[in-house]
Amino acid sequence: QVQLQESGPGLVKPSQTLSLTCSVSGGPITSDNYYWSWIRQPAGKELEWIGRIHISGSTDYNASLKSRVTISMDTAKNQFSLMLTSVTAADTAVYYCARDRGAMGPEDYWGQGTLVTVSS
Amino acid sequence: EIVLTQSPATLSLSPGERATLSCRASQSVSSYLAWYQQKPGQAPRLLIYDTSNRATGIPARFSGSGSGTDFTLTISGLEPEDFAVYYCHQRAIWPRAFGQGTRLEVK
Repeated sequence: QVQLQESGPGLVKPSQTLSLTCSVSGGPITSDNYYWSWIRQPAGKELEWIGRIHISGSTDYNASLKSRVTISMDTAKNQFSLMLTSVTAADTAVYYCARDRGAMGPEDYWGQGTLVTVSS
Repeated sequence: EIVLTQSPATLSLSPGERATLSCRASQSVSSYLAWYQQKPGQAPRLLIYDTSNRATGIPARFSGSGSGTDFTLTISGLEPEDFAVYYCHQRAIWPRAFGQGTRLEVK
């Protein structure tokens, strides 16, 4: 059973960089069959897809965030990470990591989510 | 960018009743439409993928239909645990996107 767990600071100051890590257990992130995604959800609002990464190094980002987002992988630790620069209050949200089945389907396994608040 | 519009925003029903939730895409997503269930404080749970395929462990009372731009999630015989928020999701065109959600509440 694949499990994902987000970790990182719960509070980030405006204009700084938000950094989160997703630890994956129950399967290797090096599998060619999957992508690894980040999705966020502001309180009381809908889900917003941020981007994803594949072991090949390929990344896809939401154009609305692309200039500020970087997703990377650490295969030795079976983790992948999100960096979001120049944050504002609008970036306050619960951030989820998820496994994306690529051509075979949508995100199927999700982490429990972590709340990140942007405030001074 | 595709916009997914869900209706109704809120659906009030009683246990045992049938729920019909709709999702309309601003352009065709072929059959690449999924449905998720989200309960308070929890991550979304995949119910249906590619219009009509139930995800692992999802009860048969959940079914999906549609194609192109119009899709439906049907829950036949609502159980108490089914009252939650439901999101549709498309993976046909970048970026992937979610609808704004339908809240299914107890009448």
